[in-house]
Amino acid sequence: QVHLQESGPGLVKPSETLSLTCTVSGASISPYYWSWFRQPPGKGLEWIGFVYYGGSTTYNPSLKSRVTISVDMSKNQFSLKLSSVTAADTAVYYCARAVGTVAGQFDSWGQGTLVTVSS
Amino acid sequence: DIQMTQSPSSLSASIGDRVTITCQASRDITNYLNWYQHKPGKAPKLLIYDASNLKTGVPSRFSGSGSGTDFTFTISSLQPEDIATYYCQQSDNVPFTFGQGTKLEIK
Repeated sequence: QVHLQESGPGLVKPSETLSLTCTVSGASISPYYWSWFRQPPGKGLEWIGFVYYGGSTTYNPSLKSRVTISVDMSKNQFSLKLSSVTAADTAVYYCARAVGTVAGQFDSWGQGTLVTVSS
Repeated sequence: DIQMTQSPSSLSASIGDRVTITCQASRDITNYLNWYQHKPGKAPKLLIYDASNLKTGVPSRFSGSGSGTDFTFTISSLQPEDIATYYCQQSDNVPFTFGQGTKLEIK
């Protein structure tokens, strides 16, 4: 069974970079796409982007200028960096595996980690 | 972006009831529609993919239908463990987008 676990700081200062890692167990990073999502308090789910095991990426245009998603096959991990954060980036962040013909179905998820942006 | 309109936003039902949630896309997404169950503090779970396909291991009381812009998710007989928030999500085009969710409660 695939298990995903998010990790990283729970508190980030405004204007700094949010960095999270997702560790995958029970499955190899290849040959899948791996994705990040977030859910601000009281709001819906937002897709941030995904990375293919080979390293190619696709991002949500609304965040594209600030997002970097990368993969580390040697550690079976993938990561999210979101720069120049503001309070609006406060959210529970989830990682997930993408499957399906367009890699748009998310069949395994982490439990999520709350990241608060505050000074 | 494709907008997903999900209704109702909350629903109160009794054990054994048939529960229906609808999801409407802002444009034709053929059958690229998925349904998720999300319990507080837990990982979301994929239940239905490509509008009507039940993910392996998901109880048969869950089902989905629809195509184009209009989709339906049904629980045929509500069980206590089904209390959760349910989301539709389109996988027709990036950015992938979700409905606002339906919070299901026991009456």
